[in-house]
Amino acid sequence: AQKITQTQPGMFVQEKEAVTLDCTYDTSDPSYGLFWYKQPSSGEMIFLIYQGSYDQQNATEGRYSLNFQKARKSANLVISASQLGDSAMYFCAMREFRGGSYIPTFGRGTSLIVHP
Amino acid sequence: KAGVTQTPRYLIKTRGQQVTLSCSPISGHRSVSWYQQTPGQGLQFLFEYFSETQRNKGNFPGRFSGRQFSNSRSEMNVSTLELGDSALYLCASSQLGVSSGANVLTFGAGSRLTVL
Repeated sequence: AQKITQTQPGMFVQEKEAVTLDCTYDTSDPSYGLFWYKQPSSGEMIFLIYQGSYDQQNATEGRYSLNFQKARKSANLVISASQLGDSAMYFCAMREFRGGSYIPTFGRGTSLIVHP
Repeated sequence: KAGVTQTPRYLIKTRGQQVTLSCSPISGHRSVSWYQQTPGQGLQFLFEYFSETQRNKGNFPGRFSGRQFSNSRSEMNVSTLELGDSALYLCASSQLGVSSGANVLTFGAGSRLTVL
């Protein structure tokens, strides 16, 4: 069963506007962490933001914020004031315990294109 | 400080051959984890090495193996290559390892393997 779901294969946004990338997750573990990574065309995955399941406040890192709704099991990434350099693939990820191992699980990603 | 270095960046092999990929982590990081990224399956966790010991393992056949040296550099090996092994192989290093909830992964640029 898919643990991380990103329903938006592609998103388009105008430069300087805000954009929300959706992520829902499924876990029975009360302690978990959620991550967002960015992958430009160069291939390297870049860490953006982290939210722990017990964190009371939504995480923020500069122009990135995470809209964490625990009851809905969603962890949407909000990028404010989009820049052309934000064009990339974005992956939501979660650490889960499966088969005796801790396994980072990634969603299928959302391709974001920022228009000038 | 220097980032995560993966070599080679690109390589082409034929079915039945074997391949070895290398990953040099950030200085001071003891955990190295490996991932396979394909258009069909997305980004999947292969395994993690921490202080020279395999600590976590994903769901891949035994043809995929790895090791870690005392300087934390890691190699992964794929034997008896199949066409489906064509992928971008990413490695990531971290201080705490994938088992830690707040662990942040720093990725390399990847090794793109093409199997003909």
